[in-house]
Amino acid sequence: DTEVTQTPKHLVMGMTNKKSLKCEQHMGHRAMYWYKQKAKKPPELMFVYSYEKLSINESVPSRFSPECPNSSLLNLHLHALQPEDSALYLCASSQEASWNTEAFFGQGTRLTVV
Amino acid sequence: AQTVTQSQPEMSVQEAETVTLSCTYDTSESDYYLFWYKQPPSRQMILVIRQEAYKQQNATENRFSVNFQKAAKSFSLKISDSQLGDAAMYFCAYRKTSNTGKLIFGQGTTLQVKP
Repeated sequence: DTEVTQTPKHLVMGMTNKKSLKCEQHMGHRAMYWYKQKAKKPPELMFVYSYEKLSINESVPSRFSPECPNSSLLNLHLHALQPEDSALYLCASSQEASWNTEAFFGQGTRLTVV
Repeated sequence: AQTVTQSQPEMSVQEAETVTLSCTYDTSESDYYLFWYKQPPSRQMILVIRQEAYKQQNATENRFSVNFQKAAKSFSLKISDSQLGDAAMYFCAYRKTSNTGKLIFGQGTTLQVKP
C-alpha cells in the first residue's frame, strides 16, 4: 500500500463554517506534511509533523489548525477562512523527515471558500 | 534562501520523440537532494526521478534521465520516447539534508504531448 488518501476530494465552505480535511497513510511513515497549491502554481509547504509532533509551521494563519492524532492520520481544521484560501490542499508523507526518502502525495482536496 | 527556477512555462513534444525540461537552483549548501515530480490533471504529485547532490552519476529511471551539473546548479530532465501519458505539469524540487523534509518547488513546466 503506497497510498496517501485524502478526504474529501472537493469541499465548498462559507467563511463562517468550520470544516476539517483528513489525510491517512498506512506505510508506516513518521513524517507528514500539508502543502497548499494555487492554480498553475507550485505547492507551498504549510506544516510538517515528525513523529506526531509539529516540527514546522511556515507562518500559516491561525485559521488553519493542524492535528496529528496518530502516526497514520493528519487533519487540517479550517475556521473562518477567506476566499483567497481557496486552493488545492495536498497531504504528503515520507518515511522520515530527515532521510533521503521519497515523499508520497495524496490527490488533494480542492477547497472553495465562498 | 534556496530557490528553484524553471524557465519554460510550457513545452510540447511529438509522441515518441525526446524532450528536455530545464531547471536551475540556487543554494549555498553542498549536500542536498533534487527531484522531478509530475502532476497530471488527476492532481496527484508523482515522483519521477531523484538525484543526490553527492553522486556524480546522473540518475536514470526507464525513459527518464537527468543531466545534473552541480557547479552550474542545473538539473534538467530528459524524457525519451514520449508517450501521451507523459502529458502533465512537471515540477523540479530541492530539499536540503536537514530534519525538515521541506521541498522547495520551481514554478513548473506544462508538457503537452502531440499524437
